[in-house]
Amino acid sequence: NSKVIQTPRYLVKGQGQKAKMRCIPEKGHPVVFWYQQNKNNEFKFLINFQNQEVLQQIDMTEKRFSAECPSNSPCSLEIQSSEAGDSALYLCASSLQGLSQNTLYFGAGTRLSVL
Amino acid sequence: GDSVTQTEGLVTLTEGLPVMLNCTYQTIYSNPFLFWYVQHLNESPRLLLKSFTDNKRTEHQGFHATLHKSSSSFHLQKSSAQLSDSALYYCALGRNNNNAPRFGAGTKLSVKP
Repeated sequence: NSKVIQTPRYLVKGQGQKAKMRCIPEKGHPVVFWYQQNKNNEFKFLINFQNQEVLQQIDMTEKRFSAECPSNSPCSLEIQSSEAGDSALYLCASSLQGLSQNTLYFGAGTRLSVL
Repeated sequence: GDSVTQTEGLVTLTEGLPVMLNCTYQTIYSNPFLFWYVQHLNESPRLLLKSFTDNKRTEHQGFHATLHKSSSSFHLQKSSAQLSDSALYYCALGRNNNNAPRFGAGTKLSVKP
């Protein structure tokens, strides 16, 4: 069983609504990644953090998403104004170090449906 | 930038036959890390095996792969497919930096009786 905890498992929103999901990384893992897995099962990297700092993010995330990893609280990813194309499985992963040579440990995901 | 190519979207096999899932990559980095992740239906992806050593075979749970830098390949193989191997398989590329690992498009393996 995954030690990365994601909530909620399912999220249903209307277009234009905010959609917020949370992730608790595996204990002792300072690095958190968010990926979007679309209906074709392709992974799209969104953003990653080391402790509270953003390491890398894509343009889409910068414009339409807000994400944070506050100390002593779950990390979160929020879509400010949901679009139909945002319907996907959002996977959170954590790792021991920020270097991409390290193994990712994934949560079960939050499945977002935008109606 | 870095890229990972998995040529087969779907591989359908009969139980007992050998498995080979292709993975090639492109990177300017001379010491890449290559991974195979497996995702069973309704489960989260998990690491199957990884390697950074050229021409060294890596094995786990009956699967094996060898990183060949000369051909930029990291194909996943298994001698005999089992029904329980049916899953999505992702090849991924990592570097010794803070960039997130780059995933291939994935290959769905379907093993039939």
